[in-house]
Parts: sequence; C-alpha cells; structure tokens
Amino acid sequence: GNSVTQMEGPVTLSEEAFLTINCTYTATGYPSLFWYVQYPGEGLQLLLKATKADDKGSNKGFEATYRKETTSFHLEKGSVQVSDSAVYFCALSKNTGNQFYFGTGTSLTVIP
Amino acid sequence: EAGVTQSPTHLIKTRGQQATLRCSPISGHTSVYWYQQALGLGLQFLLWYDEGEERNRGNFPPRFSGRQFPNYSSELNVNALELEDSALYLCASSFSAPPEDQPQHFGDGTRLSIL
Repeated sequence: GNSVTQMEGPVTLSEEAFLTINCTYTATGYPSLFWYVQYPGEGLQLLLKATKADDKGSNKGFEATYRKETTSFHLEKGSVQVSDSAVYFCALSKNTGNQFYFGTGTSLTVIP
Repeated sequence: EAGVTQSPTHLIKTRGQQATLRCSPISGHTSVYWYQQALGLGLQFLLWYDEGEERNRGNFPPRFSGRQFPNYSSELNVNALELEDSALYLCASSFSAPPEDQPQHFGDGTRLSIL
C-alpha cells in the first residue's frame, strides 16, 4: 500500500543550524510528494512539492529533492530561524481517489 | 482571498452524543477533504467530496459521515461519539481533481474533545 515514514521528533536546533528531516515513502507508480508545515496555532500550509523524479521543490529557504531510487523526499534548510519552529508533515498523493497519505509529523523547535 | 474556514474552533461533547463540524472552502475550490489529527497518529484521511458527491473515504467507521452542499461547503458528522474521537479535525479544499498534484489548502481545524 501507500505510506509515508518520517523521522520522529521532536527536533531542537540552534538558530543558523543545518536542518534535515528525513522522509521515505512506499507507493506504486509515480506519486507526487509534498511537505506541509503547521505553525503553532495555525492550520497546515503547503511548503513545497515535487511531482516527478529528480524534481527539487523549494520555498522559504527549504528544499527537498524527489529521489525515486531511494524513495525519499528529505527536507533541508541550510540555516534555520526561530520562526521556522513548527510541525512538518511529509505527504504523498496518488491519483487514486485523490487521497493524500501523511507522515506523523516532525516537531521542530529552533532556539536563539 | 479568504482561506478555508472551519467552525466551531472548539467543540466539547460527551460519549454517545453527536457532533457536527463545518467547513467553507476557498472560493473556486470544489473539492473538500476531511482529516483527523489524533495525538501520536498523525494526519489520517477521512472523506473527500467533490461537486456534491462523496468520492472516497478512509478507514473510518460509518458513524463518520458528511455531505457537501451546492455552495461547496461541507459538514462532517460524527455519531455515537467515543473517547478516542477526541482529535483535531482538519478540512482542506482544492480545485477539482485531477491533476493529482493539486495542492490542498487547509483550515485551522476544529478541536473536538470528548468527555
């Protein structure tokens, strides 16, 4: 079946540190891959996406590359800020009922 | 542009009661999705409505149901509430599927607490 596995949190980093949040997926065919972010007290927002292998999604300094050979879509940022503190969800979408499959979320706290 | 709006923000019920949650999609979006975000379980897909029809549902019992109105707003109904139904319920909307990479836009959720 289809599923997403992402690294467990919580993750605590100092400001300007390098961030990696791992995400791997299981799916048949060619899913689209997403990262969503949920800031404290807010709903989910689309952070970035990639729709085919080797695509790189990027937004707000975050990047993720669709790696079909390793079935991964790791989220990276070179220098995190306090304002990046949030919960990050990796997700995949298949055109079979337009259903999204989400990971359990990784909580990130950035300290000054 | 107004985002996805959900009401109420918080809802407190007791076991056995019924809950109704409401969602208004972004203008122009015809698809509405419902998710349950329970502690430790991540986000789980509940229901998808498009053009007034239920298109798909996740692995939830029949006491979870809903509908979509002609103006594309939606209701989620949960009957015979159980303690484990306590969760944040998120609604999302998008343009009608396909294409499969149509991103969903999420509301802030309704926090349902069962006492």
